[in-house]
Amino acid sequence: AQSVTQLGSHVSVSEGALVLLRCNYSSSVPPYLFWYVQYPNQGLQLLLKYTSAATLVKGINGFEAEFKKSETSFHLTKPSAHMSDAAEYFCAVTPRGNTGKLIFGQGTTLQVKP
Amino acid sequence: DAGVTQSPTHLIKTRGQQVTLRCSPKSGHDTVSWYQQALGQGPQFIFQYYEEEERQRGNFPDRFSGHQFPNYSSELNVNALLLGDSALYLCASSSQVIGTGELFFGEGSRLTVL
Repeated sequence: AQSVTQLGSHVSVSEGALVLLRCNYSSSVPPYLFWYVQYPNQGLQLLLKYTSAATLVKGINGFEAEFKKSETSFHLTKPSAHMSDAAEYFCAVTPRGNTGKLIFGQGTTLQVKP
Repeated sequence: DAGVTQSPTHLIKTRGQQVTLRCSPKSGHDTVSWYQQALGQGPQFIFQYYEEEERQRGNFPDRFSGHQFPNYSSELNVNALLLGDSALYLCASSSQVIGTGELFFGEGSRLTVL
């Protein structure tokens, strides 16, 4: 069975600092991986996705993630945090060819301090 | 291009009542999935509808049922409401043709059971 673990339920950074949100997955077959962001009282917005051989994936708002098969990780990074990045971030996994059923992690709340 | 739309946005019910939530998928999408997001948790997969049939189901009791209409819109029904059913219910749409697993989410329907 597939699963996702997000290390750190709460991450706090200063504005302008590096953002690193950790995600490890468990899957018996190469999966598709996603990062979603959720702002308060809103639905989920896709930040980026890994679905191909390109291991470094660039997303919206300056975020990127690197797929590391050997470490079963898909950590999300952004070089310089902005106040508007404060939100809840979810890592998710799905088997290739299985659209619609995402397995989500518990989420990481990102706080950005001025 | 309209995204995923859900209604109602908020509703309050009492234990034992029944509720129906509605979802219209993104234009061009043919698959609708429903998720339950309890406070402080990641979304949990309820079920997925494609070609008007339930294709996949998560670990939810039979009190949760759904329907998909010929225009691809969908309903989620929950019977005999429990306090624990209080959550944000998210609808997501995708395309079976573009099988990358990417979901587009609506803003959600927030259900409070008293």
